Amino acid sequence: DTAVSQTPKYLVTQMGNDKSIKCEQNLGHDTMYWYKQDSKKFLKIMFSYNNKELIINETVPNRFSPKSPDKAHLNLHINSLELGDSAVYFCASRLDRGIVGPYTFGSGTRLTVV
Amino acid sequence: AQKITQTQPGMFVQEKEAVTLDCTYDTSDPSYGLFWYKQPSSGEMIFLIYQGSYDQQNATEGRYSLNFQKARKSANLVISASQLGDSAMYFCAMNPSRRDQFYFGTGTSLTVIP
Repeated sequence: DTAVSQTPKYLVTQMGNDKSIKCEQNLGHDTMYWYKQDSKKFLKIMFSYNNKELIINETVPNRFSPKSPDKAHLNLHINSLELGDSAVYFCASRLDRGIVGPYTFGSGTRLTVV
Repeated sequence: AQKITQTQPGMFVQEKEAVTLDCTYDTSDPSYGLFWYKQPSSGEMIFLIYQGSYDQQNATEGRYSLNFQKARKSANLVISASQLGDSAMYFCAMNPSRRDQFYFGTGTSLTVIP
């Protein structure tokens, strides 16, 4: 059973389109995250949610909107896609917000905007 | 400010030899967690090892050990008896206690030579 599953794995779309990436975890974790990995492999946080509540919202364009219908799901919707949005997007989850637990990552979604 | 530095963009090691991947960090938080992740060419992020800032002993997980030197603010990963499957990107990450997010280094690309 996949612990943190993201769909789709690959997403190729044109500039200006709107797209969504779905994430689900079956680990019973309370906290979920979205991270962006750029072309230089650098990982940076975008959002974090704890029990459906937004905790962290980094300096991300408001074209990016996370949605957490329940604590097992955290989806990412992106409006008006731009070339610079091309990256790998990782969903992750964690049991709690302490410093002890590692993240469990999804397998990533490679977004290519053309 | 929180910062993670990995100064080795690329490393080579002979199969069956040990290798050390360097990581230094900077934080003003009194407590924090340090993590290492492996990212193979397939793209997923695999958790390897964790060290808490108050842990007295260095963490070990199988062939992985973390050489934690708190005064120097370093958390180097040691991989013993390297295997071909160890070829991957390795990321060091820190989670300060006051903020629920990971700060990642820029990664080290490890190549194991047969």
